[in-house]
Amino acid sequence: NAGVTQTPKFRVLKTGQSMTLLCAQDMNHEYMYWYRQDPGMGLRLIHYSVGEGTTAKGEVPDGYNVSRLKKQNFLLGLESAAPSQTSVYFCASSWAGQGAYEQYFGPGTRLTVT
Amino acid sequence: GQQVMQIPQYQHVQEGEDFTTYCNSSTTLSNIQWYKQRPGGHPVFLIQLVKSGEVKKQKRLTFQFGEAKKNSSLHITATQTTDVGTYFCAGKPQKAAGNKLTFGGGTRVLVKP
Repeated sequence: NAGVTQTPKFRVLKTGQSMTLLCAQDMNHEYMYWYRQDPGMGLRLIHYSVGEGTTAKGEVPDGYNVSRLKKQNFLLGLESAAPSQTSVYFCASSWAGQGAYEQYFGPGTRLTVT
Repeated sequence: GQQVMQIPQYQHVQEGEDFTTYCNSSTTLSNIQWYKQRPGGHPVFLIQLVKSGEVKKQKRLTFQFGEAKKNSSLHITATQTTDVGTYFCAGKPQKAAGNKLTFGGGTRVLVKP
């Protein structure tokens, strides 16, 4: 099993450009998440999904959109990139249920916006 | 909203020494998880604590959940160079649905050989 994979690994964008980050998981997890990680600020939740066809806003959703058309994929879009979106983006997935389950993280995408 | 704070932000440790990192939540948690992120890597799950006052051990790592379920600690004994990395706690508020976690800012551990 590959676990959680992310593409691309690195990307440089100019201000105003758009792009889509792809996350895929092969563990049949219901829940998927997108985080951004900035130095000294830990992981902040951007958007998440509790199942195919559903998405919800996290802590820092502005400037991002997501889609979960298939259970195994979770896409993160930047419509008009800004330098403040320079960050490392991590996707994660987990089982669903009343309790909390560990989250499995992908290797990350390092995005620079100039 | 809920906040999770970790102290210290940085921990410089001599190899062989012990240290503790602390995690404090502004709200009562249903459970808390700890993750480790090696330099250049991604967060990897270490452990989950659910019960008030719970203590769990993993070799040289001891995790504790506070009685009020608002704080947690990670104690590492006889630090080794393999312990280098950033340790994050992540809490789920008691009234939150699903598996949405709030992460602390992390404690970055540097080991001096």
